[in-house]
Amino acid sequence: GAVVSQHPSWVICKSGTSVKIECRSLDFQATTMFWYRQFPKQSLMLMATSNEGSKATYEQGVEKDKFLINHASLTLSTLTVTSAHPEDSSFYICSASPGAGTQYFGPGTRLLVL
Amino acid sequence: TQLLEQSPQFLSIQEGENLTVYCNSSSVFSSLQWYRQEPGEGPVLLVTVVTGGEVKKLKRLTFQFGDARKDSSLHITAAQPGDTGLYLCAGFSGGTSYGKLTFGQGTILTVHP
Repeated sequence: GAVVSQHPSWVICKSGTSVKIECRSLDFQATTMFWYRQFPKQSLMLMATSNEGSKATYEQGVEKDKFLINHASLTLSTLTVTSAHPEDSSFYICSASPGAGTQYFGPGTRLLVL
Repeated sequence: TQLLEQSPQFLSIQEGENLTVYCNSSSVFSSLQWYRQEPGEGPVLLVTVVTGGEVKKLKRLTFQFGDARKDSSLHITAAQPGDTGLYLCAGFSGGTSYGKLTFGQGTILTVHP
């Protein structure tokens, strides 16, 4: 149980375009979803916390207009990287939480902006 | 701001050796989780410890939560090349944190055959 999927698993795009990443909890309802960014050989950096039906809470230093988060249902959250630039290239990971601090992670999405 | 200091950051050992990874904080956590992550994949939950002094075993892995719930350790006995990966500890403080986890810096473990 507790499977979280992410789509796409990798994406290459041109600078200036927008990219949408989906995060789905497949066999449970997630009251909260989280979006992380991870650089090579480093820990996870929380970008934002998303609760179903409400606005996401962004961490300090994360531009909310750059990284748009929509949490339309208890099983789906999306992260849109708007006007992507090469410095946005990274590994983006989502997690879904049914509550009580437990988080189940997706497999990640590798983004490369040319 | 809560911090979770994880050490060591890098560990390179031979197959069959034992190792311990530590996570320490000045803050109390309601629970602490350990994850293992392989390159290009998401972290996989290994264990959650909740009670101060709790010890959990998962085959060759032993996890301990400190009595004061401020620190934790992961001990691997007779490491194997398949144990290679990034190990992450993460603390949950409960309350109004909305389920946010505080992550340690991670430990990159390499086990050589």
